[in-house]
Parts: sequence; structure tokens; C-alpha cells
Amino acid sequence: NAGVTQTPKFQVLKTGQSMTLQCAQDMNHEYMSWYRQDPGMGLRLIHYSVGAGITDQGEVPNGYNVSRSTTEDFPLRLLSAAPSQTSVYFCASSYGGQAGETQYFGPGTRLLVL
Amino acid sequence: AQSVAQPEDQVNVAEGNPLTVKCTYSVSGNPYLFWYVQYPNRGLQFLLKYITGDNLVKGSYGFEAEFNKSQTSFHLKKPSALVSDSALYFCAVRAAGGSYIPTFGRGTSLIVHP
Repeated sequence: NAGVTQTPKFQVLKTGQSMTLQCAQDMNHEYMSWYRQDPGMGLRLIHYSVGAGITDQGEVPNGYNVSRSTTEDFPLRLLSAAPSQTSVYFCASSYGGQAGETQYFGPGTRLLVL
Repeated sequence: AQSVAQPEDQVNVAEGNPLTVKCTYSVSGNPYLFWYVQYPNRGLQFLLKYITGDNLVKGSYGFEAEFNKSQTSFHLKKPSALVSDSALYFCAVRAAGGSYIPTFGRGTSLIVHP
């Protein structure tokens, strides 16, 4: 199993550009989520999904969109990039519905918005 | 609402000495508690979790954590630190029966000196 994969590993954008961060998992996990990691802020939840076709907002959803058309994929879209979105983005998945299920994280995407 | 506090941004310890990384939590009802570790330029990896039962939980790489309900704490410990333990450590909590998406603390940087 590849686990959770994320592409690209690194991206530079100009303010106002749009892009999609890809996330895929091959563990048949129901739950998937996107976090951003900023120095001193820890991990903050952006959006999450509890199954195909179902998404919800997390703590910091503004400026981001998600969709979940399949169990495997959970892309994160930046509609109009801003310097405040410079961060490291992590995708995670978990089986869901089980007590104490752990999350599996991807390797991250480092995004720089100029 | 659920929250996690990691009161120390950084913990320094000499190799061979015991280490403790602190975590306190707030949650409605019974907690599920987790520790994750992040090595440089990597995603988070699961270390251990408390769901129910014995308050002392043993995990990967010789780490353990003690659940203390009265103090709402879940401190991470290791009897003898290694230089290779140097990393960023995250505590996470979610409420039993609540959202399956946990809340993470800000992280504590552990530095083990040779």
C-alpha cells in the first residue's frame, strides 16, 4: 500500500493564481481531512470528509474548496491564492466509525504564495 | 468543544535522561487521546493512543504516556532519551462519541542533546 500520497511536494504561486493540491489514499478509509501547519500554530483543520459526497468545514476553511467524488481522492482547491496561504498542507485519512482510530498522514505539500 | 494545550514550545534533554512532553486537554465526556511525532520534512506518524483501560499506555520507539483524568493530562514520557528522538510532537484529542476528527495541539519541539 502507498498509504496517503500528496502532490505536488512543493509549489510556488503568485497572488491570485488558483491551484489544486491532490491527496489520495489506497486504504479504503472513509474519513479524510486537510490541515495546514504554520509555525507556532500547530495543525489547523481546513476541511474534512466523512465519505464520498460528504464534506464539511473545519477551523480555517476560508479561501479553500474541497470535493469528494470518490473514496480515494480528496483534492483541496485554492481559488485565488493569497500570501496568507503560504503554509505546509497535510492530508490525512482514517478508517472512521471506530473508537480510537488513528490518522494516517501524507508527506505534505509546501506552498509559497508570492 | 474540544481543545488541547501543549504548554512547552520546546523541551531540551540530554541523551540518556528521561523525557516528558506535557499535554492537557478539554473535552465533553470521555476523551480519546493521541500522540503523533513529526520528523523534519515529513508527515505526522502515530505514536500511541489512550481509549480506555490502563492509564499507562505504551507505544512505538519506547514511548509511553499516562492518562490522568483528574488532571486532564496525557503526558508523553520515555525513560532514556535518544538523539534520534529529536522531533516535533503533537498531542491530539477527540471526544468519545463525538466528531471523528481530532483536535491537535500546537506541538512541542523535543531536542535531545548528545
